Amino acid sequence: AQKITQTQPGMFVQEKEAVTLDCTYDTSDPSYGLFWYKQPSSGEMIFLIYQGSYDQQNATEGRYSLNFQKARKSANLVISASQLGDSAMYFCAMRDETGGFKTIFGAGTRLFVKA
Amino acid sequence: EAQVTQNPRYLITVTGKKLTVTCSQNMNHEYMSWYRQDPGLGLRQIYYSMNVEVTDKGDVPEGYKVSRKEKRNFPLILESPSPNQTSLYFCASWQPNTGELFFGEGSRLTVL
Repeated sequence: AQKITQTQPGMFVQEKEAVTLDCTYDTSDPSYGLFWYKQPSSGEMIFLIYQGSYDQQNATEGRYSLNFQKARKSANLVISASQLGDSAMYFCAMRDETGGFKTIFGAGTRLFVKA
Repeated sequence: EAQVTQNPRYLITVTGKKLTVTCSQNMNHEYMSWYRQDPGLGLRQIYYSMNVEVTDKGDVPEGYKVSRKEKRNFPLILESPSPNQTSLYFCASWQPNTGELFFGEGSRLTVL
């Protein structure tokens, strides 16, 4: 069965520093996609980054990068140069891309950025 | 503008009173899904649909129904709501072999 684990319920980071949010997954599907979403206090889900299981290089989108270690089944999100506006809940998700396209989410990590 | 639209955004209802939360997307996506979000549990998939007239259960389907009669619409039906269905609900759509799931703004439902 598929599973996503985010072990950090909450984290603090100093403004302008980098932070890593952990995500591990478990799946037997040969093809899958990994996502990170940001949910600010206003509630909407904001897409940050996507990594396909066959992608050789780690995905990057501006200050966000996904540290994909396939053998370890981890997909950590790295935010460089944190900003106060990065304070939010962050969700890791995995999508089965072999046919069912079911997507599951982790429990989330709440990030607090300190000035 | 590409978007997923949910209605209502907020609803307070009473146990047993049937309700429908609508979801519509304008991106011609094949796949749509409903999630509920509860504190400490993340988002859990209720149902998903791979195309018109094709739906499948997610992880928490009990107490919910869906239909997909048109590609753009995927309503969530609570035939007899109960207090344990009080939650924040999200509809999402996507296209296979692409990245992003597009989410609606969420519907906060309270069942008294």
